[in-house]
Amino acid sequence: DGGITQSPKYLFRKEGQNVTLSCEQNLNHDAMYWYRQDPGQGLRLIYYSQIVNDFQKGDIAEGYSVSREKKESFPLTVTSAQKNPTAFYLCASSPRTLSNYEQYFGPGTRLTVT
Amino acid sequence: LAKTTQPISMDSYEGQEVNITCSHNNIATNDYITWYQQFPSQGPRFIIQGYKTKVTNEVASLFIPADRKSSTLSLPRVSLSDTAVYYCLVGDFKTIFGAGTRLFVKA
Repeated sequence: DGGITQSPKYLFRKEGQNVTLSCEQNLNHDAMYWYRQDPGQGLRLIYYSQIVNDFQKGDIAEGYSVSREKKESFPLTVTSAQKNPTAFYLCASSPRTLSNYEQYFGPGTRLTVT
Repeated sequence: LAKTTQPISMDSYEGQEVNITCSHNNIATNDYITWYQQFPSQGPRFIIQGYKTKVTNEVASLFIPADRKSSTLSLPRVSLSDTAVYYCLVGDFKTIFGAGTRLFVKA
């Protein structure tokens, strides 16, 4: 069964702690993405990766970090420098980054920081 | 990057056809138009994609006029389960996912 998995579904952390969100895909896609969604809002791009060992900042990368050591994995770390980390985080992948390729999204991780 | 404009919300009744129009005046020559559906607390799901004229699949149709400055997603005979947010994207992943159109289907 091909797809994208994100874990955990819900995550709770105290302020000042770093937290890593997992994203795995078995679709053999080269490109992977991380988005953040706040209530009632659209998605905002945090980071993206077009190929293993390469990644680029999106629109709101400050306070976040990523790695892409394996094709199937693209973990996101929310650092203590992120001022408002509570949000719904979505990971996606696509064969390429071109506009004629659809993105496949994971189920999301809801992070709550208190 | 092409900017898109779509209605914030729409209401419909079960069994009706729903058309959601998206404006994208500065679409680039090589941009595709893609529509996604999102239910609460879930990731968006691809619905349909097109470049010009009309595209139809098992769930929707996409109408694109010759000037490609707008597109219309058509959902035939909606049901309560079609209540969701619908996003229109033009171009690649760097396109901003706006707030989308909240469709509410009533019984």
